Amino acid sequence: GGIITQTPKFLIGQEGQKLTLKCQQNFNHDTMYWYRQDSGKGLRLIYYSITENDLQKGDLSEGYDASREKKSSFSLTVTSAQKNEMAVFLCASSIGRGRPDTGQLYFGEGSKLTVL
Amino acid sequence: AQSVTQPDARVTVSEGASLQLRCKYSYSGTPYLFWYVQYQRQGLQLLLKYYSGDPVVQGVNGFEAEFSKSDSSFHLRKASVHWSDSAVYFCAASMNNNRIFFGDGTQLVVKP
Repeated sequence: GGIITQTPKFLIGQEGQKLTLKCQQNFNHDTMYWYRQDSGKGLRLIYYSITENDLQKGDLSEGYDASREKKSSFSLTVTSAQKNEMAVFLCASSIGRGRPDTGQLYFGEGSKLTVL
Repeated sequence: AQSVTQPDARVTVSEGASLQLRCKYSYSGTPYLFWYVQYQRQGLQLLLKYYSGDPVVQGVNGFEAEFSKSDSSFHLRKASVHWSDSAVYFCAASMNNNRIFFGDGTQLVVKP
């Protein structure tokens, strides 16, 4: 089996600060995702990437940048943290479209962001 | 527009009772469908998935779900819930590309 590792698990920042979250997977999956989960709400897609160096915007991409320089890693940057912002960011990966188990996501444990 | 809807934000059932959590999708074709569970302070884990074939699929821990094309639904069921089933359940759908759409989740509370 594989694993998805998100770092850091907890991130505290200041208003206006640029903050970066990292995600590594050893499934050798093609597609990786970043979702934001606010308390009591569902998952909203920020960015996804179907292969190395590819980036696709989700519904919530404004205010974020992403980078997929290697197949195994996918980074997300909050370009300017908002005061009192608090959310959990979930990284996930899946095998590519048209292959067995396509669409099934494997999730990391999440990175919790708090902005003071 | 493509979307997934879970109409019940919270469901409360007694331990040992049966359970149904509802999920509807909006898509002209047949999506791949999934149910995930999120226990407190953990990531999401797959419960079951549907790609094609038999509309009733079995998952882990006694959960099953039934796909209905006519109703555009994929409801989750369990015959007898346990207190440890208390969690948030997410329905998800993969449409015609690599995007996965999630519902807002249903919080399940199992009363002793």
